[in-house]
Formats: sequence, C-alpha cells, structure tokens
Amino acid sequence: SQQGEEDPQALSIQEGENATMNCSYKTSINNLQWYRQNSGRGLVHLILIRSNEREKHSGRLRVTLDTSKKSSSLLITASRAADTASYFCATDVGGSEKLVFGKGTKLTVNP
Amino acid sequence: ETGVTQTPRHLVMGMTNKKSLKCEQHLGHNAMYWYKQSAKKPLELMFVYSLEERVENNSVPSRFSPECPNSSHLFLHLHTLQPEDSALYLCASSPWGAYDGYTFGSGTRLTVV
Repeated sequence: SQQGEEDPQALSIQEGENATMNCSYKTSINNLQWYRQNSGRGLVHLILIRSNEREKHSGRLRVTLDTSKKSSSLLITASRAADTASYFCATDVGGSEKLVFGKGTKLTVNP
Repeated sequence: ETGVTQTPRHLVMGMTNKKSLKCEQHLGHNAMYWYKQSAKKPLELMFVYSLEERVENNSVPSRFSPECPNSSHLFLHLHTLQPEDSALYLCASSPWGAYDGYTFGSGTRLTVV
C-alpha cells in the first residue's frame, strides 16, 4: 500500500533556482528517506531523517520533517541541469524493515 | 556502479517463456529486496529476504518465484508472464532493516510480448 505521497507530481524550474518537493505519509515512522532516480535507472539514496529530527542538511539538500503533520519537504538549492530526475520519499511502515515509496516528483531543471 | 549489480539490463520475453533475473551485491548486506516499478505507479515491494530467508511475499502472483541461495545473490524466476508484468524490476540491499537506506541496482527493463 502507498505510504508516502509526493507533491507536486512534476516541477520545472530554471538552473540556479531552488526546488521544493513535499511528501505526506499516513502512519507512524522511525525514519523518512529521500531517493533520486534518473530516467530508467535505479534509485539513489540521498538523505535519511529520523523521527526525532526536524531538519537535516547534506550539501545542497535540506530536508525537514514534521511528525505532527506527517509531512516532509526536500529543498534543493541552486539547482543544476544534472539535478533533473524523479525524487521519491520513502518511509518504514510502523518501524518495520520495509520501505514504502510514493509516486515521486519529476523535477526538470532547464539550463 | 552502486555495488548492486542486476542482469540483464533489458529482457524481452514471450508469455510462454521462462527467464530469470539476477541480482548480486558484495556490500556485506544481509537483506535483499525485489521491487516492481510500472509507469505512473508507486514502487511495489514484491519480496524481502533476510539472511537468505524470505520474510515477505507481498501477494505476488506465483508466476514470479524468488530465490536467495546466499546473502550476496538474489534471483527472480519468471514464467508464463502477462503483458501487464512489463515493468522495471529493481533489486535493493541493506543491512537488515530500513534504518540506513537501501542500495539499489540499475534495474532490469522487462517487456512481455
């Protein structure tokens, strides 16, 4: 069953702009993760935020987590054409070993 | 390369064929997963293996048969598939549990004709 749901489904921006993607989920979690997928390839793990954390940074990535609203956001600053990809949030369902993914946000960064 | 290798990259098979997908990791992980990715649908978890034992079968039809002979190798045996089974099949591995993220392979693009 689908746990995370990303918003928007598609996002198109110019190089240098910031991109913000949101994720909402339904049940309690231990952590929330973000992945990137280039067209037709495997997913690449970007960042993990635990349920007791509110914000985390990794390079140009900033992730926030609001467990009271069951939502997370991924901010990519100073975007580059190479950031063009689909971005997925994933959650462990109720502390289980499984990751459940949303449908993803397709980001296009125009040069 | 991520450390998880999937072969073949592309596969076209008829509905009466039998084929196998292979996944290999040498990351020292002890959990492996098969996911199916179809157009406009979320990734669907198919099977979970921990320490070579299947711990999850997510209501997958019996025409998909997984095999995990050791902690480094995972297979997905396919037989009498349907056209709707055409999809990208992704293998992933992790230390046991979802606590540190998964490492994915590049996937096998399967087309059933």
